Amino acid sequence: DQQVKQNSPSLSVQEGRISILNCDYTNSMFDYFLWYKKYPAEGPTFLISISSIKDKNEDGRFTVFLNKSAKHLSLHIVPSQPGDSAVYFCAASSVDYKLSFGAGTTVTVRA
Amino acid sequence: NAGVMQNPRHLVRRRGQEARLRCSPMKGHSHVYWYRQLPEEGLKFMVYLQKENIIDESGMPKERFSAEFPKEGPSILRIQQVVRGDSAAYFCASSPSPSRYEQYFGPGTRLTVT
Repeated sequence: DQQVKQNSPSLSVQEGRISILNCDYTNSMFDYFLWYKKYPAEGPTFLISISSIKDKNEDGRFTVFLNKSAKHLSLHIVPSQPGDSAVYFCAASSVDYKLSFGAGTTVTVRA
Repeated sequence: NAGVMQNPRHLVRRRGQEARLRCSPMKGHSHVYWYRQLPEEGLKFMVYLQKENIIDESGMPKERFSAEFPKEGPSILRIQQVVRGDSAAYFCASSPSPSRYEQYFGPGTRLTVT
């Protein structure tokens, strides 16, 4: 039962433009959301997070938006850089340490 | 400061054999989580351990899978009598305390069952 879904397996964007990654969830008990970035042959590394009491969190080039009524969040990367080429995972949790992950979106930034 | 270490990175086993996956947490971390990623799916929680204790194994298959985190040495995920459906990437993460905020992941072990 996939509680977190990333419906776009891949995204290609030109360097300098905006990357928008989307994530939907079904469990209304989720109250904390995270984005992880993964390079080949490495483990996922934490990128940015948002609590359900907020609708936006910004950290440098990365902004996460949360729409609780739609059970949807998105990650914006502006401007996109070649080093941003990676797999991005959306994750969610409800009160405890268990993280539920989406299947990931592979981002390719073209020069 | 070394990160989370996992070995082996790649493991090939024939059906019916045993697989042992090792995870050494970051220095100072005594909480370990194991996740499994099946093809085309996201990472799924399997088990949470502290030193010498299994805290939550709600995501572990009921049979053939076990995990431990001894007082000394790495955490071990053991899969007995492997089947083709066990082929997956297994990631462990560690944290200094029970946390959903700061789990640090290792590079994973890719298990292939032939």
